[in-house]
Amino acid sequence: ETGVTQSPTHLIKTRGQQVTLRCSSQSGHNTVSWYQQALGQGPQFIFQYYREEENGRGNFPPRFSGLQFPNYSSELNVNALELDDSALYLCASSTTGSRSEQYFGPGTRLTVT
Amino acid sequence: QKEVEQDPGPLSVPEGAIVSLNCTYSNSAFQYFMWYRQYSRKGPELLMYTYSSGNKEDGRFTAQVDKSSKYISLFIRDSQPSDSATYLCAMGGEGSNYQLIWGAGTKLIIKP
Repeated sequence: ETGVTQSPTHLIKTRGQQVTLRCSSQSGHNTVSWYQQALGQGPQFIFQYYREEENGRGNFPPRFSGLQFPNYSSELNVNALELDDSALYLCASSTTGSRSEQYFGPGTRLTVT
Repeated sequence: QKEVEQDPGPLSVPEGAIVSLNCTYSNSAFQYFMWYRQYSRKGPELLMYTYSSGNKEDGRFTAQVDKSSKYISLFIRDSQPSDSATYLCAMGGEGSNYQLIWGAGTKLIIKP
């Protein structure tokens, strides 16, 4: 069974630039959630995708957007990067169901300078 | 007030001790509760998942949920240096679009 993978591992961008982060879900999982984790904090929910549709969104501005593909992999896009966007971005996959367990990838560490 | 409160620690205990980690929450709609372990600069790893109240045991780990007190606990028996990590609680409720609400994490240090 293949676990959740994310790419790239690390990324350095300049304020105002755009970034795309990628996630491949665990085999058999059709739901992907994205989280932002600042240093010393718990993850903050950005949004979730199910069957290529956004299925819930946290308190993040529209410059955070995403996609899910037919193979259930997903992308997180962030436009007009700000310094505060520097964080660990985590992708979690799960099966459908209101009580499904979420399994996380290793994350992408984004640094905005 | 945050929806989920968790003492950030660090909590330092000797090897072999029983460790108790806790979270309190304010939203009575939460019905499922998880504990994750996170090593430095890695993604969280699911340790325990509990639905509604009660206890659940898995090896050296025991999770307890007391919904009447809005209080959850994770116990680690026979703690090992490899258990040194940050432990995060997460929880969610029906109709929340599966969004998990997280504690800030407790840093645990097991001293050999």
